[in-house]
Amino acid sequence: AQSVTQLGSHVSVSEGALVLLRCNYSSSVPPYLFWYVQYPNQGLQLLLKYTSAATLVKGINDFEAEFKKSETSFHLTKPSAHMSDAAEYFCAVSPMNRDDKIIFGKGTRLHILP
Amino acid sequence: EAGVTQFPSHSVIEKGQTVTLRCDPISGHDNLYWYRRVMGKEIKFLLHFVKESKQDESGMPNNRFLAERTGGTYSTLKVQPAELEDSGVYFCASSQVRRQGSEKLFFGSGTQLSVL
Repeated sequence: AQSVTQLGSHVSVSEGALVLLRCNYSSSVPPYLFWYVQYPNQGLQLLLKYTSAATLVKGINDFEAEFKKSETSFHLTKPSAHMSDAAEYFCAVSPMNRDDKIIFGKGTRLHILP
Repeated sequence: EAGVTQFPSHSVIEKGQTVTLRCDPISGHDNLYWYRRVMGKEIKFLLHFVKESKQDESGMPNNRFLAERTGGTYSTLKVQPAELEDSGVYFCASSQVRRQGSEKLFFGSGTQLSVL
C-alpha cells in the first residue's frame, strides 16, 4: 500500500524567501515520486518527478526536490519565492515497475507575502 | 497542441438530478483517467480507460457513477442521481504510455461540481 502525507495545508513565505513544502511517503515497493502544481483556474501541471536516476531532482521554475529514502521524504524547495509561485502543490507517489495508479497527498496551498 | 479539456468548468445541481461531465484528452492519448477531489482532501483516483476499455475502475464510489469512452476518444462521467457528497472537483488526465508512474500525465482544469 502507498500513501503520501503533506505537512501543512497552508504555507506562507515572503517574496524572495526560501520555499519548503514537506512531503513524506509510505510505499512497500520502490516508488516514483512527483510534485504537481495547480495554478488558479488551471489543471494540474507536473513540476518534477523522481524515477531513481538521481536523488536530487530539478524541475521547472527553479523548483527542486530531494529523495531521502532513510527519511521517506521528498520535500520541495525553491531558493527564492516569487509572487507567481502562489498556487496549490501536490505530492504524489506510485509504485516503480508496476502498473498502478498515482496516489496524491491532500495538497499544500502556498501563499507569497509581498 | 490542445491540452486536455473538460466541460463544463462548473456545474451546480440539486440533489437527485443527473449531471454529465465530459473530458477530451490530448489527441492520440490512449490512456484516460478520472480523478476527484473533495474539498480539503486528497485527489482520488476514480478510473482508467485504455482506448475504449475500462482498465481499472476500482476507485468508482458506487453505481451512481457511470463512465464511458465510446470510440476511444472523449469520455463522459455521469452521476445519477447526484448526492451531496458527490460535490468536488473532477479532474481528467491523459497520457500516451500506460504506466502512470513512468509517463507524465496531462491534466485538465477540472469540473467543479456542487450538489445542493
